[in-house]
Amino acid sequence: NAGVTQTPKFRILKIGQSMTLQCTQDMNHNYMYWYRQDPGMGLKLIYYSVGAGITDKGEVPNGYNVSRSTTEDFPLRLELAAPSQTSVYFCASSYPSETQYFGPGTRLLVL
Amino acid sequence: EDKVVQSPLSLVVHEGDTVTLNCSYEVTNFRSLLWYKQEKKAPTFLFMLTSSGIEKKSGRLSSILDKKELFSILNITATQTGDSAVYLCAVDVNRDDKIIFGKGTRLHILP
Repeated sequence: NAGVTQTPKFRILKIGQSMTLQCTQDMNHNYMYWYRQDPGMGLKLIYYSVGAGITDKGEVPNGYNVSRSTTEDFPLRLELAAPSQTSVYFCASSYPSETQYFGPGTRLLVL
Repeated sequence: EDKVVQSPLSLVVHEGDTVTLNCSYEVTNFRSLLWYKQEKKAPTFLFMLTSSGIEKKSGRLSSILDKKELFSILNITATQTGDSAVYLCAVDVNRDDKIIFGKGTRLHILP
């Protein structure tokens, strides 16, 4: 199993640009999550999904959108990038109430 | 290859017991080590450790880092049922701004 994979590893965006962060898991997990981690801070939950077709907002959803058309994929969309979205983004997946498996992260820099 | 290994993978103790959770790591360009408590959705930040031998304490929880032996421990004294959770260890790597998560220790406290 590859586990949780994320692409790209690193990206620089200009203010106002859009992009999609990709996340795929091959463990048949129902639950998937998107977090951001800012320097010196803990993880903050952006969006999560409990299954294909179902998504819910987390703690910091503003400026982001997600979709979950399949069990495997959970892309995170930034429509109008802002400097405040400079962060490291982590995708995770799990069975309900089980340990979350984290991807390697995507580092995003918005200039 | 950078890696973070936690042990044990799971632990069941009785309320009032003291537990020690272990995290060892092999990374290049270590920046800091982070401990999280994960209950339902987003992990809760507990500690960030950057210097060897300095204990960080928060109530009944404490943690210490040994950069020579490349490990950290998380201690919980006088455990309570509310301490039942998965405890995640993660290492922040300076190069590429990576954060590598361990697989977690599932702790269950029996009343």
